[in-house]
Amino acid sequence: GEDVEQSLFLSVREGDSSVINCTYTDSSSTYLYWYKQEPGAGLQLLTYIFSNMDMKQDQRLTVLLNKKDKHLSLRIADTQTGDSAIYFCAESPSGGGADGLTFGKGTHLIIQP
Amino acid sequence: GAVVSQHPSRVICKSGTSVKIECRSLDFQATTMFWYRQFPKQSLMLMATSNEGSKATYEQGVEKDKFLINHASLTLSTLTVTSAHPEDSSFYICSAFDRGYEQYFGPGTRLTVT
Repeated sequence: GEDVEQSLFLSVREGDSSVINCTYTDSSSTYLYWYKQEPGAGLQLLTYIFSNMDMKQDQRLTVLLNKKDKHLSLRIADTQTGDSAIYFCAESPSGGGADGLTFGKGTHLIIQP
Repeated sequence: GAVVSQHPSRVICKSGTSVKIECRSLDFQATTMFWYRQFPKQSLMLMATSNEGSKATYEQGVEKDKFLINHASLTLSTLTVTSAHPEDSSFYICSAFDRGYEQYFGPGTRLTVT
């Protein structure tokens, strides 16, 4: 079945860039997503990338997709304390939001002052 | 943006009892709603997909008689955990979809079975 892997923790200094990595196994993935989860709040969609793209930039966020290696990364520039959260990589096999998503375990981003 | 609510946010129940969790899309009509389960330090696992007015589709390994899903309207889906046991203790999250690429997630319900 599908599998999405990501490291559990990442610690960065405030002001530095954070790079969160994700690998997936399903070659039919159409949409790949990054969600942010803060305590007591629902998952918030940060950004997504369609499988025929290799990069997407949105303000401080840059998503890189290497479809050959099935590797996805999220770069957060100028990391702030408010970026402290759990970041989930997720993939959808076909229809975007119409299908259940397969999630990684989440990367806990820790910001050092 | 679209808002999805869940009620209750936390519930404690005794083993053997049933618990109902509600998921509502507040400002849009959801053609499809999803139920996920999240264990500590684990990913969200899709349990079932429900479409308004039809039976839910359950993922492999999810007991449909234990986790009853009712999608009665375009803004409400309910998950009932029947005859709950301590191993059912978990964080249950719903999401709702209308169109496009995005699912909107609720804040989750923490279920503790004693």
